[in-house]
Amino acid sequence: RKEVEQDPGPFNVPEGATVAFNCTYSNSASQSFFWYRQDCRKEPKLLMSVYSSGNEDGRFTAQLNRASQYISLLIRDSKLSDSATYLCVVNKPDSGYALNFGKGTSLLVTP
Amino acid sequence: DVKVTQSSRYLVKRTGEKVFLECVQDMDHENMFWYRQDPGLGLRLIYFSYDVKMKEKGDIPEGYSVSREKKERFSLILESASTNQTSMYLCASRPPGQVMSGELFFGEGSRLTVL
Repeated sequence: RKEVEQDPGPFNVPEGATVAFNCTYSNSASQSFFWYRQDCRKEPKLLMSVYSSGNEDGRFTAQLNRASQYISLLIRDSKLSDSATYLCVVNKPDSGYALNFGKGTSLLVTP
Repeated sequence: DVKVTQSSRYLVKRTGEKVFLECVQDMDHENMFWYRQDPGLGLRLIYFSYDVKMKEKGDIPEGYSVSREKKERFSLILESASTNQTSMYLCASRPPGQVMSGELFFGEGSRLTVL
């Protein structure tokens, strides 16, 4: 079983829509969780960390359910500039600082 | 701003050649990583290093080795390149003691084609 699993999409949504991405991870010992964003032909960049209590950053809301080993990202009021691939990322418990990346979910926001 | 520089953006090599991919970071980070990214497979960890002369195998180390002689430089070596090593290679660095912060700083990537 892949350590981090995501629906690859693509998700095609109109501007202004709300879209949600889900992710599951297999190692219950994982301690830290993140969403990265990767634009076409660019390197991945940290979008936000995911905390147990849930957290928001503007239009973006991340949730973590440790019992279900499930992470989510909600994007409200989608913008054209949100079009990208969103990567669910989890630390590798046996290697401290290394991170496991999901394969990513592709989002296309259309006018 | 943190800068992670990968020496070559595009390389074309022949099967059996020895290939060096160089990565330099300018923020005195202890932790450095090499990933490869392939369509449908995502990013996969090849090797990482916590300090000079220290290295750890990631998930797919076969066919690769690394060198960390100086803190700022982490090199990925393909001893004998094969066509299945055609990929985008991404180097990243991370400050120490920030397991919870999660921010890896990536270079722009090196796209390697092995013919």
